[in-house]
Amino acid sequence: SYVLTQPPSVSVAPGQTARITCGGNNIGSKSVHWYQQKPGQAPVLVVYDDSDRPSGIPERFSGSNSGNTATLTISRVEAGDEADYYCQVWDSSSDLFLYVFGTGTKVTVL
Amino acid sequence: QLQLQESGPGLVKPSETLSLTCTVSGGSISSSSYYWGWIRQPPGKGLEWIGSIYYSGSTYYNPSLKSRVTISVDTSKNQFSLKLSSVTAADTAVYYCASSYNWFDPWGQGTLVTVSS
Repeated sequence: SYVLTQPPSVSVAPGQTARITCGGNNIGSKSVHWYQQKPGQAPVLVVYDDSDRPSGIPERFSGSNSGNTATLTISRVEAGDEADYYCQVWDSSSDLFLYVFGTGTKVTVL
Repeated sequence: QLQLQESGPGLVKPSETLSLTCTVSGGSISSSSYYWGWIRQPPGKGLEWIGSIYYSGSTYYNPSLKSRVTISVDTSKNQFSLKLSSVTAADTAVYYCASSYNWFDPWGQGTLVTVSS
């Protein structure tokens, strides 16, 4: 099955830029979506289709996807961005219909 | 604005069947724009897709759970449901329902289901 690998943790100072990677075999050929999950809350979609933002998500959140790595970038990090972040793809290859989540990355704001 | 709400028992005994319902409001479950899915998250762990259903009744399951999962839809009640059989402690998790296309949005608030005797 398809595997998405994320770093367990990323630490960043307020005002700096956080980059969270999501590695997968030829992930650049798939659409990648990103979720933010704060403690005790349901995940919230922050980026879809590699780089689009849902309504209400700040422009500070951006995404890119190429080759074997997708990246979520959080610019001008704020204390409120501290959360777990998950990438996700929909794998419909080889007669499959499968949603796959990444392993998750905990972002700590120093 | 689409909203989803999970409901069902918070405690299930080992070997029994976990049953949850997701009620959709603010839109029709018969919309051709969405699939309807279940995702779970064991305490302190990551997200795992369980399965999804289309309003027509077509179902898609995670191969790792397929033998134990049944998802159904009741368009008259604007609800869809999850049944997971032969549960063990490893099935203890927060269970979320969500609408989906290629991505999941929005999500329900989630409900904790504990498997214990």
